[in-house]
Amino acid sequence: AQSVAQPEDQVNVAEGNPLTVKCTYSVSGNPYLFWYVQYPNRGLQFLLKYITGDNLVKGSYGFEAEFNKSQTSFHLKKPSALVSDSALYFCAVRDEGGSYIPTFGRGTSLIVHP
Amino acid sequence: GAVVSQHPSWVICKSGTSVKIECRSLDFQATTMFWYRQFPKQSLMLMATSNEGSKATYEQGVEKDKFLINHASLTLSTLTVTSAHPEDSSFYICSAGVAGLSYEQYFGPGTRLTVT
Repeated sequence: AQSVAQPEDQVNVAEGNPLTVKCTYSVSGNPYLFWYVQYPNRGLQFLLKYITGDNLVKGSYGFEAEFNKSQTSFHLKKPSALVSDSALYFCAVRDEGGSYIPTFGRGTSLIVHP
Repeated sequence: GAVVSQHPSWVICKSGTSVKIECRSLDFQATTMFWYRQFPKQSLMLMATSNEGSKATYEQGVEKDKFLINHASLTLSTLTVTSAHPEDSSFYICSAGVAGLSYEQYFGPGTRLTVT
């Protein structure tokens, strides 16, 4: 079975400060991990993914995420937040040896204050 | 590349009528298409997955006869909400997947359905 948790419903950060959106996962085998962003009344946009290789993954719009196998985490980070980063962020996981359908977290609302 | 469109982007219909939502992969062939429902400030609820030319696989609790899914080609899937009721009002999002190592999904922009 595969599952993913986003422990924070909302994250608040001041513009220019670093941001972190947390994600932890559980899979039986090797994880495929994804981050998506959703702006109001829009579909989800792909940000980045981890399949294998370097634990630090760089994605769109200056975002990056670090895969930590021992902590089963895949936190999304950005060194300097922008007001335009305010959106809903979803983490997703797929078990390499399991279903091809990913499981999505409940989403974290990121609010960047000017 | 990897663009998915949905039509319409929003629709208002009366109770008892049916509404069809189209999902198209514009520049690639989708092995599988997914239909999600999203309530305000909530996560995605997977409704069903469909492969081209075969019947959709519905998630538990989703009424097959109410939410009809047709996957006629590798670039088109439709969701028809039959005999719509106000409680069907929601944001419906489709996504398309390409078989491969990572099975990345490409999402459509969503359709806002309001049933009056």
